Amino acid sequence: GAVVSQHPSWVICKSGTSVKIECRSLDFQATTMFWYRQFPKQSLMLMATSNEGSKATYEQGVEKDKFLINHASLTLSTLTVTSAHPEDSSFYICSAGPPGWGAEQYFGPGTRLTVT
Amino acid sequence: AQKVTQAQTEISVVEKEDVTLDCVYETRDTTYYLFWYKQPPSGELVFLIRRNSFDEQNEISGRYSWNFQKSTSSFNFTITASQVVDSAVYFCAPSERGNTGKLIFGQGTTLQVKP
Repeated sequence: GAVVSQHPSWVICKSGTSVKIECRSLDFQATTMFWYRQFPKQSLMLMATSNEGSKATYEQGVEKDKFLINHASLTLSTLTVTSAHPEDSSFYICSAGPPGWGAEQYFGPGTRLTVT
Repeated sequence: AQKVTQAQTEISVVEKEDVTLDCVYETRDTTYYLFWYKQPPSGELVFLIRRNSFDEQNEISGRYSWNFQKSTSSFNFTITASQVVDSAVYFCAPSERGNTGKLIFGQGTTLQVKP
């Protein structure tokens, strides 16, 4: 099946710094990608929809200035956590899939962010 | 608004037992898609099945089977003869209507299969 990669798989950063996470679709073009956040022992919470060539659509309660999303090409979306704080420590997961309602989403392996 | 409920937070079984994971989906839509994903300890989500609301046939894939009942809005997942490798968190996720592919995840059920 289709493959979605994420980089890095884990990152530790200091409070106040910014961290960029990449999500790539390796064998298909993705006009839309999704970013999720997962706290320990909790479900996945959708943060935003990344749209190629246009602004991302953020879910209610997600700070767009803090979580910057750029979808510059059909195979790459990036999530930048700006001015990170310890409460931003989480598991970030992206997904991508063919367009259309009900299409299967392929998930990346996730990025574990720890802010110290 | 859509709502998905996985009432079982954690289930523990002994290997070779059968286990059923429940999922109830509430929506006013008459047409929808439902997915099941598995998240092993490694963290990467694994696609298990997709079902649309028009298709109420049960499905079997090896030791896995799914029972979709539109009348009760349930899409339950059964593992037959469970194995230790089945230990994971299982998520039921409806797909939001529209052309986006957005998934709304349930709370998840943690399954522990003991040897």
